[in-house]
Amino acid sequence: GAVVSQHPSWVICKSGTSVKIECRSLDFQATTMFWYRQFPKQSLMLMATSNEGSKATYEQGVEKDKFLINHASLTLSTLTVTSAHPEDSSFYICSARGQGAGETQYFGPGTRLLVL
Amino acid sequence: AQRVTQPEKLLSVFKGAPVELKCNYSYSGSPELFWYVQYSRQRLQLLLRHISRESIKGFTADLNKGETSFHLKKPFAQEEDSAMYYCALSINDMRFGAGTRLTVKP
Repeated sequence: GAVVSQHPSWVICKSGTSVKIECRSLDFQATTMFWYRQFPKQSLMLMATSNEGSKATYEQGVEKDKFLINHASLTLSTLTVTSAHPEDSSFYICSARGQGAGETQYFGPGTRLLVL
Repeated sequence: AQRVTQPEKLLSVFKGAPVELKCNYSYSGSPELFWYVQYSRQRLQLLLRHISRESIKGFTADLNKGETSFHLKKPFAQEEDSAMYYCALSINDMRFGAGTRLTVKP
């Protein structure tokens, strides 16, 4: 099946710094990528949807200037958490859908972010 | 707006007993529904989708448009079925229910 990877798997950073998380589709071209956030013992909440070469569409309540999403190629999307604060600590999960993967969304393993 | 409801946060059954995880959705059109499973310390995995009408690991789910439900069922639960189960509804993007943690006791 289609594989989606994320890097890093976990990151600890100081408050005020920026963190970049990468999401890659390894064996298919992801025309659409999704970024989710999952708090402990809660469900996944969609943050934004990005189509390759276009600006991301953010869900209500998600600050686009804080969570910068770039989807510059068909195999890579990045999420940058700018000026991170402790309340941004969470589990960030990407998923991808596209050519060679059908309409199914395939999920990455997630990135755990801890902001001190 | 599309919404997915999983009314049970926790569900516990004994090995060999039948199990049903409930999922209700709200959407006025023709939905595309999925069940995803997340085993401990692993990524989300697709369990099944309604359009394929297949059985995976003994699990089945039938879309009931009249009741707007997509309940997940298995006649004989196994200990290895213990996991977090998410029902999801896909239109242009995928929305998840709150999830149900299934524990199968020996």
